[in-house]
Amino acid sequence: GAGVSQSPRYKVAKRGQDVALRCDPISGHVSLFWYQQALGQGPEFLTYFQNEAQLDKSGLPSDRFFAERPEGSVSTLKIQRTQQEDSAVYLCASIPGSNSISGNTIYFGEGSWLTVV
Amino acid sequence: DQQVKQNSPSLSVQEGRISILNCDYTNSMFDYFLWYKKYPAEGPTFLISISSIKDKNEDGRFTVFLNKSAKHLSLHIVPSQPGDSAVYFCAANRYNQGGKLIFGQGTELSVKP
Repeated sequence: GAGVSQSPRYKVAKRGQDVALRCDPISGHVSLFWYQQALGQGPEFLTYFQNEAQLDKSGLPSDRFFAERPEGSVSTLKIQRTQQEDSAVYLCASIPGSNSISGNTIYFGEGSWLTVV
Repeated sequence: DQQVKQNSPSLSVQEGRISILNCDYTNSMFDYFLWYKKYPAEGPTFLISISSIKDKNEDGRFTVFLNKSAKHLSLHIVPSQPGDSAVYFCAANRYNQGGKLIFGQGTELSVKP
């Protein structure tokens, strides 16, 4: 597709339920990022993949959060045993090459809105 | 530890006037600063950036100023248009970590006709 595609766009989960959020980056983009944006806040970095390798997961808030990109294209962010504080927009972003300095080449998806009730 | 701060949650400006959005940072190791624009229910889109070795970058109606000694940057929009109404995020990163952005909290700009 033309841009970064995320699904589902909206998800309501009961507390304790597991959720999986999908990201389709721009075709051919090497690097993929996940961000979490809580209400009224800026996005916060979660994790980074270069192809299928997860090179940085320093932003994942707990071991309930797990991300993968097994074939170096589509990525899934999984949240186990969801809690109310997990309610946020989860943004996926990709860049064409490796983790370059130029932030202007970062393309964000529209986000997956997760509400935990 | 909020390394990038936008202290004004909202700003209202009349169409045709100048909009000035401000951002402060604490980490002197940042190499690059960026502004993103976000409409409701959409992802952030890149607007303009500036390297830490410069003090000004201009692109059409948008100009970003960087004051390294004060650890402060600002985005000027002249003239402001109603279509500029959105949330603006300031972000920073370090060399070779271009995709790992540190964002501010955002400023919601409203441009009134």
